[in-house]
Amino acid sequence: QKEVEQNSGPLSVPEGAIASLNCTYSDRGSQSFFWYRQYSGKSPELIMSIYSNGDKEDGRFTAQLNKASQYVSLLIRDSQPSDSATYLCAVNGRGNAGKSTFGDGTTLTVKP
Amino acid sequence: GAVVSQHPSWVICKSGTSVKIECRSLDFQATTMFWYRQFPKQSLMLMATSNEGSKATYEQGVEKDKFLINHASLTLSTLTVTSAHPEDSSFYICSASLGDSNQPQHFGDGTRLSIL
Repeated sequence: QKEVEQNSGPLSVPEGAIASLNCTYSDRGSQSFFWYRQYSGKSPELIMSIYSNGDKEDGRFTAQLNKASQYVSLLIRDSQPSDSATYLCAVNGRGNAGKSTFGDGTTLTVKP
Repeated sequence: GAVVSQHPSWVICKSGTSVKIECRSLDFQATTMFWYRQFPKQSLMLMATSNEGSKATYEQGVEKDKFLINHASLTLSTLTVTSAHPEDSSFYICSASLGDSNQPQHFGDGTRLSIL
């Protein structure tokens, strides 16, 4: 079992719809969770951080964390074609000096 | 804030050449820097973790004599691909962190390396 698993893609949604990206992790001691967006041919960029159970909203993005279920998700409301990218879930364990374990990514396509 | 600069962005060179890639944190002190490699349509692969003033920690299967990492200051880490061959052609990306387990990584723009 991988340490960080993301739902297999690719995921395709129509413009204006909600895109839901899911991630599970195996280390119960994990304490920091991040979502990165990576456009084709570019490096990843941080879009959301979440540290405690519940929802965290930032514009059209909502990150959700459930530590009991070891599950973290990213919702993108009113999806736009510019949201088409690969989304990477990253998890930091306790005392790992900032070293993240990344999932393989889910590729999202938003169709006009 | 948290800007990481990576240079060069693109390198094309002949087989057997050594190539140096620089990674700088511009507005913060990066206790830890990371080097990744990514082949087309594949996942990020962590190559090594670099801490200022100490030897890098390489991931299993990564040749430390081929991929030389130096982290001489809190704002600069370098990766040198020695005697590069066509199979080393890839997208190399660095990232920097404050070193706290609560901190995210901040990525450079990456270096696309093509060995002829």
